[in-house]
Amino acid sequence: EPEVTQTPSHQVTQMGQEVILRCVPISNHLYFYWYRQILGQKVEFLVSFYNNEISEKSEIFDDQFSVERPDGSNFTLKIRSTKLEDSAMYFCASKLDSGSNQPQHFGDGTRLSIL
Amino acid sequence: DAKTTQPNSMESNEEEPVHLPCNHSTISGTDYIHWYRQLPSQGPEYVIHGLTSNVNNRMASLAIAEDRKSSTLILHRATLRDAAVYYCIRIPASALIFGKGTTLSVSS
Repeated sequence: EPEVTQTPSHQVTQMGQEVILRCVPISNHLYFYWYRQILGQKVEFLVSFYNNEISEKSEIFDDQFSVERPDGSNFTLKIRSTKLEDSAMYFCASKLDSGSNQPQHFGDGTRLSIL
Repeated sequence: DAKTTQPNSMESNEEEPVHLPCNHSTISGTDYIHWYRQLPSQGPEYVIHGLTSNVNNRMASLAIAEDRKSSTLILHRATLRDAAVYYCIRIPASALIFGKGTTLSVSS
């Protein structure tokens, strides 16, 4: 069964450094998402992406964050200048189309640790 | 705001059925109900979804109340691998809004 893959599984970065988290969504999916989960807390929506544009974003997704689909397969999340509070699990998800009856398929996440 | 209400935790024994309730009293007519689960150290995993009718798939069954204000996820025979956090989510829009979910413990 096709799956969403994320790399790296664990990223350790110094505060203030830039970090790029990578995701390969399911190949025929059109909608892409990033979520994060701080340890012990809820999964939080960050951003959704469709047709090479951000379609929706949360308050968490400020100017420090950006997303890109640089080629036909990868979907990336960049944090420009990391802060301690960015430490979390980051999950990528993809969905076939816009229908509300379509499930989102998640990767296993990247654990981001900011020192 | 997840706009669904679930018990914080439930316990089950292996090979017994589990009924996980969810309240969504403010649901609108076009909102789907989706269930996801999150096993330890993994990303959320889709389980099942429905709109009005009861639904079955290889993982679970979903029973939706006639007035659609509540639903129940049914695991017919719990296994140790079913121990996870289960999330009931209304889908009026694209983004998933997760609540705290129900933590299901399964004992052998």
